[in-house]
Amino acid sequence: GIQVEQSPPDLILQEGANSTLRCNFSDSVNNLQWFHQNPWGQLINLFYIPSGTKQNGRLSATTVATERYSLLYISSSQTTDSGVYFCAAKRGSNYKLTFGKGTLLTVNP
Amino acid sequence: GAVVSQHPSWVICKSGTSVKIECRSLDFQATTMFWYRQFPKQSLMLMATSNEGSKATYEQGVEKDKFLINHASLTLSTLTVTSAHPEDSSFYICSASVRGSVGGELFFGEGSRLTVL
Repeated sequence: GIQVEQSPPDLILQEGANSTLRCNFSDSVNNLQWFHQNPWGQLINLFYIPSGTKQNGRLSATTVATERYSLLYISSSQTTDSGVYFCAAKRGSNYKLTFGKGTLLTVNP
Repeated sequence: GAVVSQHPSWVICKSGTSVKIECRSLDFQATTMFWYRQFPKQSLMLMATSNEGSKATYEQGVEKDKFLINHASLTLSTLTVTSAHPEDSSFYICSASVRGSVGGELFFGEGSRLTVL
């Protein structure tokens, strides 16, 4: 199956800093999603982005499908941004969504 | 976005009993739902794919007799952990994609934390 690798595994920031999280995947995909898992465990959909660039407030994401990577940008980070960020990818409609191991982000006040 | 709801959020049970977790798509129809399991500080692992009106497809290593999945309607799938043991304690999360969506964007429930004593 497809392999999904995320980096860095851990990231500690001061409030107000910017950060970039990376997701590499091993095959072509028709689904690439970024999630934020909050302290209660719920997965919040951030972006559905199999290709291209999207922005939502302080967050943006870019997927370069031909080079098999996606980036999640967090600007002006806030303490509420803390949590685990997961990237997940799927090759096609008959394949399963495979998760990376996540990036644990800690934003300190 | 589409809303998926799970119930219960927390459940504590005694060893040997069975526990049922419900997953509902509130504002869309979901032909397919997925059940994931997550251990502390680890990623999500797919347990099974649940298709409305047919038998679930289980991932390798997942005991189908222990984790019974029923998908009786386009908005409801249930996971029953039978004869639960402490090693079944985990965080279970369901997800669903909107019926007919091309890329199959998945939306996740709040998760259910199971503790088996």
